[in-house]
Amino acid sequence: GEDVEQSLFLSVREGDSSVINCTYTDSSSTYLYWYKQEPGAGLQLLTYIFSNMDMKQDQRLTVLLNKKDKHLSLRIADTQTGDSAIYFCAESLSGYSTLTFGKGTMLLVSP
Amino acid sequence: NAGVTQTPKFQVLKTGQSMTLQCAQDMNHNSMYWYRQDPGMGLRLIYYSASEGTTDKGEVPNGYNVSRLNKREFSLRLESAAPSQTSVYFCASTDSAPYEQYFGPGTRLTVT
Repeated sequence: GEDVEQSLFLSVREGDSSVINCTYTDSSSTYLYWYKQEPGAGLQLLTYIFSNMDMKQDQRLTVLLNKKDKHLSLRIADTQTGDSAIYFCAESLSGYSTLTFGKGTMLLVSP
Repeated sequence: NAGVTQTPKFQVLKTGQSMTLQCAQDMNHNSMYWYRQDPGMGLRLIYYSASEGTTDKGEVPNGYNVSRLNKREFSLRLESAAPSQTSVYFCASTDSAPYEQYFGPGTRLTVT
């Protein structure tokens, strides 16, 4: 069955890099996504990666995908206090538009 | 473009009452979804509609019904609310691959 696991909490200092990790179990995942949720708001798509890619970079965000280990990570460079939020990893399977979400990682950035 | 809109933003119900949560999108997306978010549980899919005229159960459909009224609108109905349905409800929509889902701001529902 599908399962997406994330660590629950990460604390960093402003200016440091943050790395949020995710593991998934289904090898037929087609796309993997990172979403951000700020307090009291809905989820905002940050980025996604196609399963045949190893890396994707978008400004301060770098996504790394290790298909062999079914491991996905999101690196945020020069983390700011505005990056404090819950980050969700999600996967979609081939041919399906439904997503399976992890439980979310709360990122706390201190000044 | 407003994206995905949800009404109401907040609602308090008594056990046994019914209500309908409304969702609309203006992005001409084919697929729409209803999720609930509970502390420590992440997002769980209640129902989805892959295209106008179709609906399917997700992970936690019991106690809910849905209607895909047209391509824009997808409503979620609680016929007889229970305290276990206290949650934050999110609507989302997407189109073709890579199936980026766009979320509404959520409805915070409390059942007493």
